[in-house]
Amino acid sequence: DVKVTQSSRYLVKRTGEKVFLECVQDMDHENMFWYRQDPGLGLRLIYFSYDVKMKEKGDIPEGYSVSREKKERFSLILESASTNQTSMYLCASSLGVWQPQHFGDGTRLSIL
Amino acid sequence: AQSVTQPDIHITVSEGASLELRCNYSYGATPYLFWYVQSPGQGLQLLLKYFSGDTLVQGIKGFEAEFKRSQSSFNLRKPSVHWSDAAEYFCAVAPSTGGGNKLTFGTGTQLKVEL
Repeated sequence: DVKVTQSSRYLVKRTGEKVFLECVQDMDHENMFWYRQDPGLGLRLIYFSYDVKMKEKGDIPEGYSVSREKKERFSLILESASTNQTSMYLCASSLGVWQPQHFGDGTRLSIL
Repeated sequence: AQSVTQPDIHITVSEGASLELRCNYSYGATPYLFWYVQSPGQGLQLLLKYFSGDTLVQGIKGFEAEFKRSQSSFNLRKPSVHWSDAAEYFCAVAPSTGGGNKLTFGTGTQLKVEL
C-alpha cells in the first residue's frame, strides 16, 4: 500500500512565522501535490511537483512556496504565516499523469 | 478549464437504504472522473475512477458510479448503506487532454447515516 506521511497532524503557529509542512511518500511516485481544504470550498490545489526540483503553481499559490529536493519529500512553506492560512493541509502523490492520487491524513494548521 | 458541481451539501439516509450522490462536471471533452471518500480526521481515499470503456464503474466498499455523457454526470451509488459509510464524499475531474494530473474537486457531500 502507498503510504503518504505528513509530519504533523496538528500545528499551532503565530502570525509572521515561517512555517514548514513536510510530506513523505514511500512509493517512488513522480508527482506530489499540496492542497488546502476549507469547509464549503472543497480541496484547492496550492502547488504540485512532477519531478525533483520541478514545481508548478496550482490555483491558490499566493503566500506559499514549495521545495522538492528529493523524490520522496515535498515541503510546503508559508513564508510569513497569516491568520487566513488557518486550514487543513493535505499532501498527495501519484505514480504518473492521470493516475489516482494517494493522500496523507492531513495537517490541521492554526495561525494565531 | 474544468469544473465540478456537487449540488447536495448534506444528505441523510437510514442504514440499509440506497444512496445516490450527484456529481456534474463541465469540460469540453470526456474527462477522467474520480470519487474519493474522507472519513473524519483522515485523508482522502479513492473509491473508484472512470477513464474510458464501460460507463458503469465498480469501486471499493460496494460503491459504483455511472458516467452519463449526455448529462455530464458521474453519480455515485450504493444499494444498501452501512453506518460506517458516514463520511464526506468528493467528486473530482482531470482533463483527458493536456493539463497533466491536475484534479479539480467538487465541494463535497457530507453523508449522515441514521441507525
